[in-house]
Amino acid sequence: DVKVTQSSRYLVKRTGEKVFLECVQDMDHENMFWYRQDPGLGLRLIYFSYDVKMKEKGDIPEGYSVSREKKERFSLILESASTNQTSMYLCASSLIGQGRANEQFFGPGTRLTVL
Amino acid sequence: QQQVKQSPQSLIVQKGGISIINCAYENTAFDYFPWYQQFPGKGPALLIAIRPDVSEKKEGRFTISFNKSAKQFSLHIMDSQPGDSATYFCAAQTGANNLFFGTGTRLTVIP
Repeated sequence: DVKVTQSSRYLVKRTGEKVFLECVQDMDHENMFWYRQDPGLGLRLIYFSYDVKMKEKGDIPEGYSVSREKKERFSLILESASTNQTSMYLCASSLIGQGRANEQFFGPGTRLTVL
Repeated sequence: QQQVKQSPQSLIVQKGGISIINCAYENTAFDYFPWYQQFPGKGPALLIAIRPDVSEKKEGRFTISFNKSAKQFSLHIMDSQPGDSATYFCAAQTGANNLFFGTGTRLTVIP
């Protein structure tokens, strides 16, 4: 069964802290994604990666960076957390392909609160 | 700029009723339109999807209606059940590129 796991379900950090969110998938997927989910705004893509050590900016990359050193692991980094980064963060992975072959499998999310 | 516009933001339906969620897009290059379902505390999961060469796709109680000329598509949930209460996202994609998600609809089905 396909599985995407995220390191924490809930996280509370202080303004200015460096925050690491970890995501691991066990499906040997090439693509991995980080989204943030906010009420009324849906899912917004922060960064994605289509291969190890490769990364591409999504729609809202400001204030974030990512790291993909191994195929199964994709990390989201908040260099200096701010209160406007309080949100639900979702990781997803997919194969490279079109249509249904490109189905994204999501983790359960990390709810981050920045005080 | 929202590539896929979704409405309503929230929806309350009586058990046994029909739930309808609408989406619209502008980019005619989109060629794949999935719907994702998200239960509280879980990540979204693919529910049903359609390509623009058909006008309707049905899977059990879930149907996508697609109107290519109007650039609109909708999800219909027949005989809605309390277990269908979730947030639904429409999305659109071109080729092997990334998905563009709508803003989501929170559906509540009351017994």
